[in-house]
Amino acid sequence: AQSVAQPEDQVNVAEGNPLTVKCTYSVSGNPYLFWYVQYPNRGLQFLLKYITGDNLVKGSYGFEAEFNKSQTSFHLKKPSALVSDSALYFCAVRDSGDDKIIFGKGTRLHILP
Amino acid sequence: GAGVSQSPSNKVTEKGKDVELRCDPISGHTALYWYRQSLGQGLEFLIYFQGNSAPDKSGLPSDRFSAERTGGSVSTLTIQRTQQEDSAVYLCASSPLAQSEKLFFGSGTQLSVL
Repeated sequence: AQSVAQPEDQVNVAEGNPLTVKCTYSVSGNPYLFWYVQYPNRGLQFLLKYITGDNLVKGSYGFEAEFNKSQTSFHLKKPSALVSDSALYFCAVRDSGDDKIIFGKGTRLHILP
Repeated sequence: GAGVSQSPSNKVTEKGKDVELRCDPISGHTALYWYRQSLGQGLEFLIYFQGNSAPDKSGLPSDRFSAERTGGSVSTLTIQRTQQEDSAVYLCASSPLAQSEKLFFGSGTQLSVL
């Protein structure tokens, strides 16, 4: 069965600094990986996905994520954080042998002005 | 409709009562998911429907929970004999294809069991 772990409940970053939100996964087949964001009082929104190909995936709002097969990781990154990036971020995985998508527990990102 | 619609947006019920939560997916989307979001628990997978295939019920926490999807469109999540620990936001999502596609989420139903 597939699983995903987000080891940090909360990440604090100063505005303008680079940010990283960590995610590791476990699958028996090939992984399909996703990041979603939940802004305060708003629904979950898709940020980016990795299916195959280039290990560096670019998504919405200047975010990117790097797929690392040997470390089974898919960390979310942004070169320069904005206060408006403050939100709850979820990593998700689908195993190639299954259809359901499993989410992590989420990481709350605080960007400090 | 433009997006996934869930109703009601808020539901307050007494312990022991049954509740029904409704989800209208985006037209033409064949995949439909239910998740539960609780504080500190993240997004917990409940059940997955894909077309006319048998649903994946592996995430349902107890036999008090059930869901159906009629005509491959609207879905209803039913919780019988509600307990206080069922209080959470119940989210529905749909997707146009079974594989590799992003999910479109509804705004959720906030369930409070008193």
